[in-house]
Amino acid sequence: AQKVTQTQTSISVMEKTTVTMDCVYETQDSSYFLFWYKQTASGEIVFLIRQDSYKKENATVGHYSLNFQKPKSSIGLIITATQIEDSAVYFCASTSSGQKLVFGQGTILKVYL
Amino acid sequence: EAAVTQSPRSKVAVTGGKVTLSCHQTNNHDYMYWYRQDTGHGLRLIHYSYVADSTEKGDIPDGYKASRPSQENFSLILELASLSQTAVYFCASRDRDEQYFGPGTRLTVL
Repeated sequence: AQKVTQTQTSISVMEKTTVTMDCVYETQDSSYFLFWYKQTASGEIVFLIRQDSYKKENATVGHYSLNFQKPKSSIGLIITATQIEDSAVYFCASTSSGQKLVFGQGTILKVYL
Repeated sequence: EAAVTQSPRSKVAVTGGKVTLSCHQTNNHDYMYWYRQDTGHGLRLIHYSYVADSTEKGDIPDGYKASRPSQENFSLILELASLSQTAVYFCASRDRDEQYFGPGTRLTVL
């Protein structure tokens, strides 16, 4: 069975700095997909970025990028030039079949001035 | 852009009562999902569906039923609501491998 673990409960960073959130996954499958989602204070859940296991290049979307370390089963989310609006809960998730997503527990990010 | 709506947005139910949560999507996605979120936890899958008139059990289906009468609509049914089912419920639809979430329904069972 798949499992996703986010060990960082909460992170606080100063605005305009770079932050990395950790995520470790477990899977028996050779092909899988990894995702990061953001949950805002209003409760809205938004898809941010994905990494396909067969791709060696780290995905990048806007000021979000991933640090995919396949041998370590790790998929870190990097946010550069953080803004106050980045304050949210960030969830890592994985799927192999595409049918079912397994989510981590989430990391609270607080960005302060 | 994917549009997933949920109703009601908030509900208070009594223990032992029946609760129906509704979800509607307008993008012709085949897959739809119901998750619950508890404070301090991630999302856990209750039921999902990949075609109308068919549903599948997720990871925590006990105490819940699901209904998919059409491609656009997916309902979650609590026949006998219990205190432990107090949570926020999210519906999602899937396009390729990415899921798009509704705004959530906050359910309080008293």
